[in-house]
Amino acid sequence: ELKVEQNPLFLSMQEGKNYTIYCNYSTTSDRLYWYRQDPGKSLESLFVLLSNGAVKQEGRLMASLDTKARLSTLHITAAVHDLSATYFCAVGAYGGATNKLIFGTGTLLAVQP
Amino acid sequence: ETGVTQSPTHLIKTRGQQVTLRCSSQSGHNTVSWYQQALGQGPQFIFQYYREEENGRGNFPPRFSGLQFPNYSSELNVNALELDDSALYLCASRGLAGDEQYFGPGTRLTVT
Repeated sequence: ELKVEQNPLFLSMQEGKNYTIYCNYSTTSDRLYWYRQDPGKSLESLFVLLSNGAVKQEGRLMASLDTKARLSTLHITAAVHDLSATYFCAVGAYGGATNKLIFGTGTLLAVQP
Repeated sequence: ETGVTQSPTHLIKTRGQQVTLRCSSQSGHNTVSWYQQALGQGPQFIFQYYREEENGRGNFPPRFSGLQFPNYSSELNVNALELDDSALYLCASRGLAGDEQYFGPGTRLTVT
């Protein structure tokens, strides 16, 4: 059964600092998603990574995928308070016609002034 | 905005009751999935519907059931509600060619 692990679970950062969130998964998949969730809100799509070596960047966030290592990273550059949220990675699990996502436990990011 | 809407926003039910949650997808998005997100956890896959038929299910009991309609709307029904069913319920739609899954705003269900 596909398992997805994120670390750290909680990350307290100072504004202006850099940090990386890691997402490991247990079986082969070629689709990796990153979502942001604000308290009490739904999931906002950040990145969809579809191939080994894929790298995508949006503002202060950059995501990468290494399918051989079964690892994705979400790198935060020069953090600002507005990035405070919970970040989830999710792996596409395909069986037959099913296209389900298996989510990690989430990383709660708190950016301190 | 994802173009996916859900209703109601919040709902309070009593243990043992039944509940119906609704989702409306974008036109052309013929695959819809439902997820349950308990407090402090990641979303868990409940089931998926494609062209009005269930074609995938997670580890949820049969009292969780669904429907999908030709107009791209869908329902999640939960019978015999239990306290542990309290959660945020999210629907997600996917288009024909899309790798993207678009999540709705969710329904917060509280079972007392």
